[in-house]
Amino acid sequence: DVKVTQSSRYLVKRTGEKVFLECVQDMDHENMFWYRQDPGLGLRLIYFSYDVKMKEKGDIPEGYSVSREKKERFSLILESASTNQTSMYLCASSLIPGQFNSPLHFGNGTRLTVT
Amino acid sequence: LAKTTQPISMDSYEGQEVNITCSHNNIATNDYITWYQQFPSQGPRFIIQGYKTKVTNEVASLFIPADRKSSTLSLPRVSLSDTAVYYCLSGGTDKLIFGTGTRLQVFP
Repeated sequence: DVKVTQSSRYLVKRTGEKVFLECVQDMDHENMFWYRQDPGLGLRLIYFSYDVKMKEKGDIPEGYSVSREKKERFSLILESASTNQTSMYLCASSLIPGQFNSPLHFGNGTRLTVT
Repeated sequence: LAKTTQPISMDSYEGQEVNITCSHNNIATNDYITWYQQFPSQGPRFIIQGYKTKVTNEVASLFIPADRKSSTLSLPRVSLSDTAVYYCLSGGTDKLIFGTGTRLQVFP
């Protein structure tokens, strides 16, 4: 089974802090994704990557950046956290490069609170 | 831009068959339709995927009509453990778009 591991289940940060959310997958998947999930809004795509050092903006990239230095690791960065970034963050991976029909494998999420 | 629409919530009783329908406006030729299940405090889990007609696996069936403007997830004989949020997703070579999810509550 594919395992997608997010480094923290819960994080509390202060406004203006730089925040790193880490995600690692163990099945050599090409694609990795970051979503945020908010009540009433479902899952919204922040960024994705289909190769090392490649990144593409999703639907809501503002206020975020990403890093993919190694194939198995995809980091989400909040340069200056704000309260409207309080949310559940979900990382996912999928197998086939550039082919988004490939089923997604999700981590269990990081619940970030910005105070 | 593809967009999916599904009911906000549904109730059922143990042992019943549950059908959840999703509409897919502007679905593209290369898009597949995928359904996920999510329990509280967990990430979504892949259930089933299809392109057209009917797909069945050990968990569910997926019905997609010829025009592909909708899809129906069918859960046979649900149990309490099927209480979850179900998401439909359409996508292919373009960005994935999740629906807002259907909260299924199964009662004893």
